[in-house]
Order: sequence, then structure tokens, then C-alpha cells
Amino acid sequence: DGGITQSPKYLFRKEGQNVTLSCEQNLNHDAMYWYRQDPGQGLRLIYYSQIVNDFQKGDIAEGYSVSREKKESFPLTVTSAQKNPTAFYLCASSRGDRSTYNEQFFGPGTRLTVL
Amino acid sequence: AQTVTQSQPEMSVQEAETVTLSCTYDTSESDYYLFWYKQPPSRQMILVIRQEAYKQQNATENRFSVNFQKAAKSFSLKISDSQLGDAAMYFCAYRSAWGNKLVFGAGTILRVKS
Repeated sequence: DGGITQSPKYLFRKEGQNVTLSCEQNLNHDAMYWYRQDPGQGLRLIYYSQIVNDFQKGDIAEGYSVSREKKESFPLTVTSAQKNPTAFYLCASSRGDRSTYNEQFFGPGTRLTVL
Repeated sequence: AQTVTQSQPEMSVQEAETVTLSCTYDTSESDYYLFWYKQPPSRQMILVIRQEAYKQQNATENRFSVNFQKAAKSFSLKISDSQLGDAAMYFCAYRSAWGNKLVFGAGTILRVKS
């Protein structure tokens, strides 16, 4: 079955540690995205990548880093510089073809808690 | 920059009744797409319905339909014959026809009473 997987489902981090959230898709999508969701707020874009080896900052990129070495994978690293990293993180992908709806498909999310 | 506003933090509906969720957006562009996503307690985001701005006809998907008013920049979601499984957070989202980024509203929690 095609889809997007995120791991782990729950992640606990001590202050001062970097952690990496995994996102893999087998939909053959060119574009991938990372969002952060906080209670009472909508999804906010952290980083996105429209093609392998290329990515752009979203609205709240500070304290995060990404890589896109493979089409299928778009890992997100939450660094110690991120002041308030406790949140729910969602990964998404889309075809990247702007001529159509090009809707985004989402993974199941990772809940990150800083202890 | 585009913004999306959902003015109803929470809504309630009786099972089998109809409910309408509001969404307004701000943009200077003429070509764009609008979406409604559903996030149930599992937190999996699911696309409910989508609309192209250049289409005057309102989109429908089974019990879900939209009222798209381009001049008023309004994109409301109507759920007919509400079911318990419709209980979720609903997000309105905007995408420019020239980009891939989605701009989300803050969401509306829908509660369905039996």
C-alpha cells in the first residue's frame, strides 16, 4: 500500500539533545513537507522540499534542520536551539505538479515531548 | 501573505442534522485552491473536499459540500446527515496556484451528539 510513514509515534527528549524524526513516502511524490501542530493552532510549515537535494524554510524554521538525499525520505532534526519543541509533528507529501489540485497527503504524526 | 481564518473554535451538531463550518481567507491572487481537511482523534489528517477558485460550481463529496463565495473570500463546509464519525477537528486550507505550500486556519472542533 502506498502511503507516508513517520517514526517514532512518540518521542521523548531531554533538554539540550538533538532528535531526528523520520518521514518516508512510497507515493513517488516529488514534494515533501514538515508541519508543527500546537494545541489551539493550525498547522505551521517548518520546512519543505520540492525536489531531491533542495529544500526551503517555512514559517517557523528556527531550531530545525532537514535533509533530502532521497526522494522517499525527508528527516527532520529538532535541535537544542528550538526553544519550545514539545508539539505534534506532521509530515506530508504531494506530487509537486502545480497545474492540478496537488493535494498533500499526511503521515500519522510524531508526538515529541521534552522532559 | 495569505491568511485563513476559522472563526468558530468549536461547533456542536445533533446526529443526522446539518452543520456548517465557516472559513474566510485573504489573498490578492485570482488563481488558487481551497481544501477542507479532517483530523479525527487519531490525528491522521484526511482530505475531505477541495475546490478550484476558477470553478464557480461548488464541490460536493457525498454528505460534504462547500459554499464557495470568491468575491467574499468565503469557503464554508456543510456536513449533511451528521454521523458520530464526523466528530473531529476540521481545518480549512489555502494553496496558491503558483506554489505548493498550504496555509491553514486554526481549526474548528466539531462535536456530534447522539
